[in-house]
Amino acid sequence: QQKVQQSPESLSVPEGGMASLNCTSSDRNFQYFWWYRQHSGEGPKALMSIFSDGDKKEGRFTAHLNKASLHVSLHIRDSQPSDSALYFCAASEQGTNTGKLTFGDGTVLTVKP
Amino acid sequence: NSKVIQTPRYLVKGQGQKAKMRCIPEKGHPVVFWYQQNKNNEFKFLINFQNQEVLQQIDMTEKRFSAECPSNSPCSLEIQSSEAGDSALYLCASSLSNYEQYFGPGTRLTVL
Repeated sequence: QQKVQQSPESLSVPEGGMASLNCTSSDRNFQYFWWYRQHSGEGPKALMSIFSDGDKKEGRFTAHLNKASLHVSLHIRDSQPSDSALYFCAASEQGTNTGKLTFGDGTVLTVKP
Repeated sequence: NSKVIQTPRYLVKGQGQKAKMRCIPEKGHPVVFWYQQNKNNEFKFLINFQNQEVLQQIDMTEKRFSAECPSNSPCSLEIQSSEAGDSALYLCASSLSNYEQYFGPGTRLTVL
């Protein structure tokens, strides 16, 4: 069973709209979460991390973590065509720089002009 | 832009051939990771190093995979005898102290 599950598989929003991506872990050892974005032909780039319950906001991006349910979400407001990419939720057992990441299977976001 | 350098960007090998790819981590980053991303975008952690020492690694696919991060040289990942199922994007990432992993653009391996 995939330990980090993402939904939806794909999402289309109009420019200026709100995109909401979800992630759930089935492994309670995962306590540290990241959102990564990958454009075609590039490696993943970290958008933000979230380690504590509640919301974390960085610009147009807001992440929410509920540790009790191991559910993480990412909300992108005022979506831009340049936000079109593959988004991954990644989890780690360790809150250190040496901990390997376990990735979900990704959500394809398309922002239509 | 990521400063993790991966070479080559594309690698084409026949079945049974060796495939070797290299990674230069961001300057000053002591931790290096290798991941495999398959055509379905599924990631698989392969190995990580702190300086030159292996921290964690998977059972390296029947020992066909080997990796090293020598001092003052690029890190490398080598597949001794490539198989069709090894076709994937191989991603190198490095990390400093803020827990973020910085990824390179990857080496896309195609095994014919």
